[in-house]
Amino acid sequence: DQQVKQNSPSLSVQEGRISILNCDYTNSMFDYFLWYKKYPAEGPTFLISISSIKDKNEDGRFTVFLNKSAKHLSLHIVPSQPGDSAVYFCAASGMAGGTSYGKLTFGQGTILTVHP
Amino acid sequence: KAGVTQTPRYLIKTRGQQVTLSCSPISGHRSVSWYQQTPGQGLQFLFEYFSETQRNKGNFPGRFSGRQFSNSRSEMNVSTLELGDSALYLCASSEQGSFSNQPQHFGDGTRLSIL
Repeated sequence: DQQVKQNSPSLSVQEGRISILNCDYTNSMFDYFLWYKKYPAEGPTFLISISSIKDKNEDGRFTVFLNKSAKHLSLHIVPSQPGDSAVYFCAASGMAGGTSYGKLTFGQGTILTVHP
Repeated sequence: KAGVTQTPRYLIKTRGQQVTLSCSPISGHRSVSWYQQTPGQGLQFLFEYFSETQRNKGNFPGRFSGRQFSNSRSEMNVSTLELGDSALYLCASSEQGSFSNQPQHFGDGTRLSIL
């Protein structure tokens, strides 16, 4: 049962344009959502997060949007740069009692390639 | 501020052996979580420790265990290694764990290969 899904395995974008990465979830108990970027041979790097009480959070070129009714979140990167090329994971955690402590549930990742 | 440090970076073991992986969290972080990453299953939660106590455990067999020390450093042990245990093992730390809505910060992992 995959509770967090990233349906696009890959995305290719031209430098300077917008990259939009999508993520869907099924568990309505999730209340905190995160995006991570991962380069080969490195651990995931935290990018941005959003609490379920908000619908948008911005940090520089990165904006995360949350649509709770659709159980959908997206990460917008504007403008995209070649250095953004990496695997992007969305993750979720929830207040589901003791089963939530320290647990992030991850999507399968989307490979973003930004072409110069 | 130093990041999460995992040692060793690479390990090669044979079936039936056991292995211990180490994780030093970011200074001041009291929660340490462990994850297994494989091509087929993605990133899967193993367990979480806070103040030397295991608060949460994922769906892994009892061969996978861990502990946390008073300085928040954590170790993970896998006994009776199987070929399927070959994976990247990631450690992440946060100030208090998911209840406080604090992000987890990851180390670069230990790549474990079982021959």
